[in-house]
Amino acid sequence: EAGVAQSPRYKIIEKRQSVAFWCNPISGHATLYWYQQILGQGPKLLIQFQNNGVVDDSQLPKDRFSAERLKGVDSTLKIQPAKLEDSAVYLCATSRSDTGELFFGEGSRLTVL
Amino acid sequence: AQSVTQLGSHVSVSEGALVLLRCNYSSSVPPYLFWYVQYPNQGLQLLLKYTSAATLVKGINGFEAEFKKSETSFHLTKPSAHMSDAAEYFCAVSGYGSGTYKYIFGTGTRLKVLA
Repeated sequence: EAGVAQSPRYKIIEKRQSVAFWCNPISGHATLYWYQQILGQGPKLLIQFQNNGVVDDSQLPKDRFSAERLKGVDSTLKIQPAKLEDSAVYLCATSRSDTGELFFGEGSRLTVL
Repeated sequence: AQSVTQLGSHVSVSEGALVLLRCNYSSSVPPYLFWYVQYPNQGLQLLLKYTSAATLVKGINGFEAEFKKSETSFHLTKPSAHMSDAAEYFCAVSGYGSGTYKYIFGTGTRLKVLA
């Protein structure tokens, strides 16, 4: 089966600019997670969707970050305006409702200058 | 609340030597525990998982982990390190609630294998 697809793989922007990341989950996976992984740290959950509803966005900086999951399938994560500290890899992961096993995409590496 | 602690952000072993990566967890309910591996510029891949069945769990690439409730540990081991094992390893704990699973990841341990 096809894996979790993410794009773009790399993005370099100036601070205060905006950026969007896209994730296409494995077919049939109801749960979708966006994680932020700063260099040298473990993944930190930003937002979790169950189908197209938000389950947990308690760690999402809502003044600059937003995310949506269209029709319970694809998802986009947007940052506007970006700050230097947003430089990180943004990982999308999805899972089936029954097993809960996570499948990760390759990530989108953001560099903010 | 659930949490995981990985002891040692960097571990170096010689090729052929034992690999031991440490993970301790905290959970108020019986946990699901996982080890993931991350190679450079890639996402995380599942190595193995504990879901309350056998306490000794075997995973891919010769790795295994033992769940020890009395020590709240889930250490990852491999008898003989290979150069291809060089990567970053993450321990994670998961809990089920509100119809979905939530994961907490440790800070990771970077494994270096010396020739």
